[in-house]
Amino acid sequence: NTVMTQSPTSMFISVGDRVTMNCKASQNVGTNVDWYQQKTGQSPKLLIYGASNRYTGVPDRFTGSGSGTDFTLTISNMQAEDLAVYYCLQYNYNPTFGAGTKLELK
Amino acid sequence: EVQLQQSGAELGKPGTSVKLSCKVSGYNIRNTYMHWVNQRPGKGLEWIGRIDPANGNTIYAEKFKSKATLTADTSSNTAYMQLSQLKSDDTAIYFCAMGLGPHYWGQGVMVTVSS
Repeated sequence: NTVMTQSPTSMFISVGDRVTMNCKASQNVGTNVDWYQQKTGQSPKLLIYGASNRYTGVPDRFTGSGSGTDFTLTISNMQAEDLAVYYCLQYNYNPTFGAGTKLELK
Repeated sequence: EVQLQQSGAELGKPGTSVKLSCKVSGYNIRNTYMHWVNQRPGKGLEWIGRIDPANGNTIYAEKFKSKATLTADTSSNTAYMQLSQLKSDDTAIYFCAMGLGPHYWGQGVMVTVSS
């Protein structure tokens, strides 16, 4: 099993902040990593696929980067509508999710 | 527009089975993978497995190999997941999703296991 260690578990942020969260894979997964956003009571939504490709309609304040074992999702200029839990997922092997990073308002 | 429509909420007794459905519109499921993911109350996402509807090949996460059975009916463009030997720990929201990774998601269905 490929473990995706996601950090931090939660962050308290303000509107306008630059937010960075990370995922570390227990083995090399290439660029086969997605990032998902899940708001309370909703299904997850794809933000980034293939580590760095923004999905259709996703605002350009969301940026994914990384390869191999280390991956980052950055939200520049955080908006209130971005409050959610964010998950990484590797699909290089049997897919596995990170535990999530919850963004909350200060 | 691609849409995944899941069946309604289920209440199952311990030891029984439930079968969930996921009907896809706007895309032929022969051309993609169908995934299933669960989310226990207040917890994160957990990948259960996927099926290639074109040939019926399945892959399961180790912990779900004896719990979940994935099937697909290409004539109705619908994927199914049967959960067997239900326990209280199976109480969760179950999502179907489509794509190389689980890129397009259904709305989720709550499965509650209770006597």
